[in-house]
Amino acid sequence: ILNVEQSPQSLHVQEGDSTNFTCSFPSSNFYALHWYRWETAKSPEALFVMTLNGDEKKKGRISATLNTKEGYSYLYIKGSQPEDSATYLCAFMDAGNNRKLIWGLGTSLAVNP
Amino acid sequence: SAVISQKPSRDICQRGTSLTIQCQVDSQVTMMFWYRQQPGQSLTLIATANQGSEATYESGFVIDKFPISRPNLTFSTLTVSNMSPEDSSIYLCSVEDPGALTDEAFFGQGTRLTVV
Repeated sequence: ILNVEQSPQSLHVQEGDSTNFTCSFPSSNFYALHWYRWETAKSPEALFVMTLNGDEKKKGRISATLNTKEGYSYLYIKGSQPEDSATYLCAFMDAGNNRKLIWGLGTSLAVNP
Repeated sequence: SAVISQKPSRDICQRGTSLTIQCQVDSQVTMMFWYRQQPGQSLTLIATANQGSEATYESGFVIDKFPISRPNLTFSTLTVSNMSPEDSSIYLCSVEDPGALTDEAFFGQGTRLTVV
């Protein structure tokens, strides 16, 4: 059974704080690692699709790193803002299983103004 | 990219009844995916819907319980049949990037279903 784990489960930070979350995934049959942001009452929205070991991607104040050999990815938010409040989901795309997405439970972030 | 309109956004239903969820995509896509997120659980794939053929169901999901229609390349429905409180979940439809430039997934807004 493929397992994707995210930590922490939830996080409360003050506006301006920087924060990071972890996603761990199987290190075999790796195809891609996805990060999504899911705000309440909205559609999940893709942040990053990462495929190469050692890759680092950035979108504004948000960045992510990838280690496929040890099976983990970090998502960083620099200078958190209240609008960053959302659930952040990671999903492992399995090369050996028709490239299906296996999802973590998510990290729920609340940024207090 | 793709924009998906999903409805209803939420519903409260009596046990034993059925609910049909609709998803309309603004571009033609080969595959549409239906997910469920039960309370405290991760997103779980129910089935993959291809136009012109029967949907492919994941382990633990069956056509009698979750019939799916895919009449054309821009539309699909999922029916939750003979509902019980255990079916209370968020249901999401999803497509892959229609331009096939990335493996990024696009989602509808979700249907929050409560069965009483």
